[in-house]
Amino acid sequence: ETGVTQTPRHLVMGMTNKKSLKCEQHLGHNAMYWYKQSAKKPLELMFVYNFKEQTENNSVPSRFSPECPNSSHLFLHLHTLQPEDSALYLCASSQSHTSLRETQYFGPGTRLLVL
Amino acid sequence: KQEVTQIPAALSVPEGENLVLNCSFTDSAIYNLQWFRQDPGKGLTSLLLIQSSQREQTSGRLNASLDKSSGRSTLYIAASQPGDSATYLCAVSGNTPLVFGKGTRLSVIA
Repeated sequence: ETGVTQTPRHLVMGMTNKKSLKCEQHLGHNAMYWYKQSAKKPLELMFVYNFKEQTENNSVPSRFSPECPNSSHLFLHLHTLQPEDSALYLCASSQSHTSLRETQYFGPGTRLLVL
Repeated sequence: KQEVTQIPAALSVPEGENLVLNCSFTDSAIYNLQWFRQDPGKGLTSLLLIQSSQREQTSGRLNASLDKSSGRSTLYIAASQPGDSATYLCAVSGNTPLVFGKGTRLSVIA
């Protein structure tokens, strides 16, 4: 176990649905990340939170809305998604976003299918 | 903009072989380079992290090297085993958080 958990592990939703992905880290870290992994594309950084504050939004469409209520929890709220948003969504954490010399610890991911 | 390329995209070897995976990056101004392993449908597991001031790191049968000036890294796997079958991802950290390559999908045949 990496100390980073994600729920649900699998999600199927229609384009008009609203759903949320949840990530929790038990490592005492202060930075959390959302990544998107699509088939045949590199892992793409979506959002970065450091001490609950969003420090990076990598030009992500507004149909993805992150929320970080505390340093241990990170949510990704989804609404009116498109089929091309189907992907593996990975959460990660690190001690601090300001120190880029540290490794990130990844959760198992949520496999999302948008119909 | 940093770009990371991994060659080959896929590799199949018989058990016991030594093998090398390659990673190249376009901007040599990096803080570190990491190698990750990803099993199908799973998250990433960090294997080795090389700081920009280092030349290599070793963990068990794995050895990663870094040539920052030429923008290259290699991951050497000795005496490969079927359990090594996975996708191996290279990622660099510079002025922005991690930038990943597409990975090399490794199959070790018993």
